[in-house]
Amino acid sequence: DIQVTQSPSSLSASVGDRVTFTCRASQSISTYLNWYQQKPGKAPKLLIYAASSLQSGVPSRFSGSGSGTDFTLTISSLQPEDFATYYCQQSYSTTRTFGQGTKVEIK
Amino acid sequence: QVQLQESGPGLVKPSQTLSLTCPVSGGSISSGSYYWTWIRQPAGKGLEWIGRIYTSGTTNYNPSLKSRATISLDTSKNQFSLKLNSVTAADTAVYYCARENDNYVFDPWGQGTLVTVSS
Repeated sequence: DIQVTQSPSSLSASVGDRVTFTCRASQSISTYLNWYQQKPGKAPKLLIYAASSLQSGVPSRFSGSGSGTDFTLTISSLQPEDFATYYCQQSYSTTRTFGQGTKVEIK
Repeated sequence: QVQLQESGPGLVKPSQTLSLTCPVSGGSISSGSYYWTWIRQPAGKGLEWIGRIYTSGTTNYNPSLKSRATISLDTSKNQFSLKLNSVTAADTAVYYCARENDNYVFDPWGQGTLVTVSS
């Protein structure tokens, strides 16, 4: 299976901060990488697909980049509703896998 | 707009079979190029892909489940189902159904249902 590793596992930030977190795949996955946001008690919500395409309805402060094995998700100006856990997920191999998540907490 | 909602028992005894269904509203389960998918999440942990079924009936499963999972389609009821046999406490989790579309993303998701394995 392709492993995807996220870092950091958690971070503390303030409203208005620019935050970036990363996802690394155990082998090249081209741009078959998606990002989801999950709030407590809720299902994950799709933010970014194909590494850098913004899902319809998602605010433009979210952006994604990368290809091959290294990917990033950036929030340009953190808003109160962005405090959540973020997961990356690869769709290159038949067995889909998720990263372990990055929890964004209020500083 | 397609909507999914998991249903099934919230408590299953060890060694028995976990059975969940996911009725689909707002669209036909047998049309389009979609994979109907099950994903689970133990409390406080990350997401694990269980498996999927294509509209044609072709299935794929996570090898980590060691062939314990079976996913099926019921087009007459417009729903798909998950059976997981020989469950243990390690199978306690929130189970989600989701649709994987032709952008290879999971969207939409059901709200999730907690299944606890305990005697």
